[in-house]
Amino acid sequence: SYDLTQPPSVSVSPGQTATITCSGDKLGHKYNCWYQKRPGQSPVLVIYQNNKRPSGIPERFSGSNSGNTATLTISGTQTMDEADYYCQAWDSASVVFGGGTQLTVL
Amino acid sequence: EVQLVQSGAEVKKPGESLKISCKASGYKFTDHWIGWVRQMPGKGLEWVGMIFPEDSDIRYSPSLQGQVSISADKSINTAFLQWSSLKASDTGIYYCARQDTANGLDFWGQGTLVTVSS
Repeated sequence: SYDLTQPPSVSVSPGQTATITCSGDKLGHKYNCWYQKRPGQSPVLVIYQNNKRPSGIPERFSGSNSGNTATLTISGTQTMDEADYYCQAWDSASVVFGGGTQLTVL
Repeated sequence: EVQLVQSGAEVKKPGESLKISCKASGYKFTDHWIGWVRQMPGKGLEWVGMIFPEDSDIRYSPSLQGQVSISADKSINTAFLQWSSLKASDTGIYYCARQDTANGLDFWGQGTLVTVSS
């Protein structure tokens, strides 16, 4: 099976840049997405096709994917960005999620 | 406006059967896969499987194959997730989402809480 590895937690001060990584074998060869998950709410797609933002997602969210690592970057992080973030890729027609990263803004 | 509306919370006993639903609107139902994702208490997102409503092509997560069944009724734009014999370990929130290889899981339902307890 294909595994995606994320750090369990990341902390950032308001206004600073948060970086969340996702590692997987040859991940750069696959389409990668990122989801924001707040407690009690449904997941929200924030990045698709490695670096595209859906309509309504702030410009401070950006993504990259190369080699074995995909990265979600949140510039000028706001307290409202505090949430769990999940990377996702496709492998053999199956969807695979990373274990999730809890982003703390303090 | 794309919407996915799921059925309400369920409380069941081990061994009972259950079928939850996900009704789509605002787009052509048969043009996109519908995926199911679960979140067990205190855990991360886990993909369950998906269905292409046009021809009912179904794929399951290898780890969940045989434990659940996915179906769809394109006449009512609704996808279903079904269990024949629930276990306590099936407890969790189940989300449906419109999914696409290129665009990810772009629209999500509100989630259905399934509680299995004796």
